[in-house]
Amino acid sequence: GQQLNQSPQSMFIQEGEDVSMNCTSSSIFNTWLWYKQDPGEGPVLLIALYKAGELTSNGRLTAQFGITRKDSFLNISASIPSDVGIYFCAGQIPETSGSRLTFGEGTQLTVNP
Amino acid sequence: NAGVMQNPRHLVRRRGQEARLRCSPMKGHSHVYWYRQLPEEGLKFMVYLQKENIIDESGMPKERFSAEFPKEGPSILRIQQVVRGDSAAYFCASSPGGYGANVLTFGAGSRLTVL
Repeated sequence: GQQLNQSPQSMFIQEGEDVSMNCTSSSIFNTWLWYKQDPGEGPVLLIALYKAGELTSNGRLTAQFGITRKDSFLNISASIPSDVGIYFCAGQIPETSGSRLTFGEGTQLTVNP
Repeated sequence: NAGVMQNPRHLVRRRGQEARLRCSPMKGHSHVYWYRQLPEEGLKFMVYLQKENIIDESGMPKERFSAEFPKEGPSILRIQQVVRGDSAAYFCASSPGGYGANVLTFGAGSRLTVL
């Protein structure tokens, strides 16, 4: 099946640092989404991107839909302890049904106070 | 304004028993998706349903797994004769369909442990 390559797998940073993670695919996506999952909870939507080249911010989070439609990145600025969690990229490829999403394997973020 | 409700949150079963996981979508949402998450992995698509219809079950194992979304009541993911490899977190997500259909809202998950 379709694979999303998400990197890095894990990050250990100090509070206040900026963070960047990305996802790439061999296929074109027509939607990119970024979710965050806290332990024992379900994924929560952070940012949705619908157009190639789109750059969208949500507070300290910024994400972009790559021009080639095969990649996306998420930046977190001035990290704080509550940013800890697993971040997933997810995308929809044109030939899939409904809103079916393919997920990356996640980036585990640890923020040291 | 309840979100996606899943129950039970935790379920323990012995090998060979049946597991039933329930999902009530957000109010106004008629599309339901089930995903499975193994420890330290991403979410893997299982099945997509609309009311009374299975639209896409390409991610469902061929045996022992079934899903339904009846006209009334929650969506049910049913696993018969569970094995240890079925131990995972099962997430349900819903969407309204139409414009905005791409945004899935997830429930908190049901964590199945098979002894």
